[in-house]
Amino acid sequence: ELKVEQNPLFLSMQEGKNYTIYCNYSTTSDRLYWYRQDPGKSLESLFVLLSNGAVKQEGRLMASLDTKARLSTLHITAAVHDLSATYFCAVAPLAAYGGSQGNLIFGKGTKLSVKP
Amino acid sequence: DAGITQSPRHKVTETGTPVTLRCHQTENHRYMYWYRQDPGHGLRLIHYSYGVKDTDKGEVSDGYSVSRSKTEDFLLTLESATSSQTSVYFCAITRRGDGYTFGSGTRLTVV
Repeated sequence: ELKVEQNPLFLSMQEGKNYTIYCNYSTTSDRLYWYRQDPGKSLESLFVLLSNGAVKQEGRLMASLDTKARLSTLHITAAVHDLSATYFCAVAPLAAYGGSQGNLIFGKGTKLSVKP
Repeated sequence: DAGITQSPRHKVTETGTPVTLRCHQTENHRYMYWYRQDPGHGLRLIHYSYGVKDTDKGEVSDGYSVSRSKTEDFLLTLESATSSQTSVYFCAITRRGDGYTFGSGTRLTVV
């Protein structure tokens, strides 16, 4: 069974602190995606990681991918209240490993709350 | 989001009635997807399309059907709505998997 597991599922942080969200997946894939979702809204693309060792940064967020460990991380630096949202990772399995036509398998999401 | 629209945005329907949700794109992308989002489950794939009249089932396809007669439109039909199909439905498009764009979602309530 293809699984994508995120942890933690809930994260309460203080402003100014650092933290990491983890995304483990059970299949072979060379593409991993991070999305942000605000309450009642659609999914906003944050990062697309297309190769082993890929690292991307945007503002206070940095994402990395280790395809050998089947692990991606989303690191938050000096959190601010505006980062409060739910963050999803999603994996596109390779065709030989159960993937088909680019279907994404999502983790359950990490609900982040940043408090002053 | 620009290039992809879903309709309706909200709908309340009665158990046993058929319901059709529409996803419309202006990007001429080949691939289109329907997901449902439920608390504690993330997003789960219902059906997808890889071209006009080319569709296939996803993880949670029971009770749903789809049609794609034109590149720009992908329709999701609940043949006989049940309370378990109360959810938020998202459509997504991609050209070749480098990036996926999601619609604004349809909030469906089955009473």
